[in-house]
Amino acid sequence: DSGVTQTPKHLITATGQRVTLRCSPRSGDLSVYWYQQSLDQGLQFLIQYYNGEERAKGNILERFSAQQFPDLHSELNLSSLELGDSALYFCASSRRDPDTQYFGPGTRLTVL
Amino acid sequence: AQTVTQSQPEMSVQEAETVTLSCTYDTSESDYYLFWYKQPPSRQMILVIRQEAYKQQNATENRFSVNFQKAAKSFSLKISDSQLGDAAMYFCAYDMRFGAGTRLTVKP
Repeated sequence: DSGVTQTPKHLITATGQRVTLRCSPRSGDLSVYWYQQSLDQGLQFLIQYYNGEERAKGNILERFSAQQFPDLHSELNLSSLELGDSALYFCASSRRDPDTQYFGPGTRLTVL
Repeated sequence: AQTVTQSQPEMSVQEAETVTLSCTYDTSESDYYLFWYKQPPSRQMILVIRQEAYKQQNATENRFSVNFQKAAKSFSLKISDSQLGDAAMYFCAYDMRFGAGTRLTVKP
């Protein structure tokens, strides 16, 4: 157990819908990262927050947004969902930036 | 562009033998971290080993060790005494960039 929690574990929704994925970092970690992993693919970096501020942006679509709250938990919002958005979404956290990233168990999103 | 390349999509090893997974990366930084992560069928991402670029000594964690060649920007992972539980996808990572992964099969 890495200490990073993600909810929900599974999410099934329809095209055009909007969902919110939640991540709680390890105690004491200030940085949160979001990644997308499609079937049999590598990890694609989406976005990073550090102590509430956006720190780095990767290949995140305009339909996707994220934020980190004062208690350091983070949410990833996915809207106008398409079939191709079906993937495993990981959250990771680290104490500093840069530093070792510890991953949560992921949220498996299925868009039908 | 800063990239991470794993040139071996698949590797196979006999149980109890040694296998080396390759990784090259590109960066203009002088101080950084490199990582190997393991992803078993459960899809959980598990940290295997970490290397700090300013340290010349190669990192070691039990049966796992790295060969870090900073000038060549090479970072390979050696697994000794391979076990059935080592079967997984292995990802090399630099910063927020991950390689495409190497699928390791362990034969009994």
